[in-house]
Amino acid sequence: EPEVTQTPSHQVTQMGQEVILRCVPISNHLYFYWYRQILGQKVEFLVSFYNNEISEKSEIFDDQFSVERPDGSNFTLKIRSTKLEDSAMYFCASSGIWNEQYFGPGTRLTVT
Amino acid sequence: AQKITQTQPGMFVQEKEAVTLDCTYDTSDPSYGLFWYKQPSSGEMIFLIYQGSYDQQNATEGRYSLNFQKARKSANLVISASQLGDSAMYFCAMREGLGTGGFKTIFGAGTRLFVKA
Repeated sequence: EPEVTQTPSHQVTQMGQEVILRCVPISNHLYFYWYRQILGQKVEFLVSFYNNEISEKSEIFDDQFSVERPDGSNFTLKIRSTKLEDSAMYFCASSGIWNEQYFGPGTRLTVT
Repeated sequence: AQKITQTQPGMFVQEKEAVTLDCTYDTSDPSYGLFWYKQPSSGEMIFLIYQGSYDQQNATEGRYSLNFQKARKSANLVISASQLGDSAMYFCAMREGLGTGGFKTIFGAGTRLFVKA
């Protein structure tokens, strides 16, 4: 069964450093998303991406964040200068049509 | 503005019994979708079931069914014949503007389900 994959599973970085979180969506999906979940809290929408551009973003997704689909398979989230409050689980998701979103296993980002 | 409310922070159910997890939502958009996800202690998000605002019948997927009451704006998840492996956090979510470019999905705070042997 096809699945969304994410690397790395855990990333530790120092405050102020740049991080890139990687995702491989399900191959025939067209819509891609990033979410984050601070420990013990609810899942928060960050951004959606379709047709090689951002289709919607939340207020969390400020200038420190960017997304890219550098090739036909990868979908990345970059945080330019990490802050302590960026520590969270980051989930990538993809969907083929607009009813089912499949999530990856997540990347736990720890900013020290 | 979109809003999802899950009023039960925790629920207990006896193994093999049915349980209902509550979810209410608020939207002015006539076109929206409702989702339920399961998050076990391992952390992954597992898609369970989907209900579209125009769907006439309640969605069902195996032991999961969605009790969709549009006028009340509720979308409760019913799990029949609970199993120990159902112990997890359950999130209700909604997306507006389906089919018209709506992509933002918002999640409720979640309900933690404990299944007792």
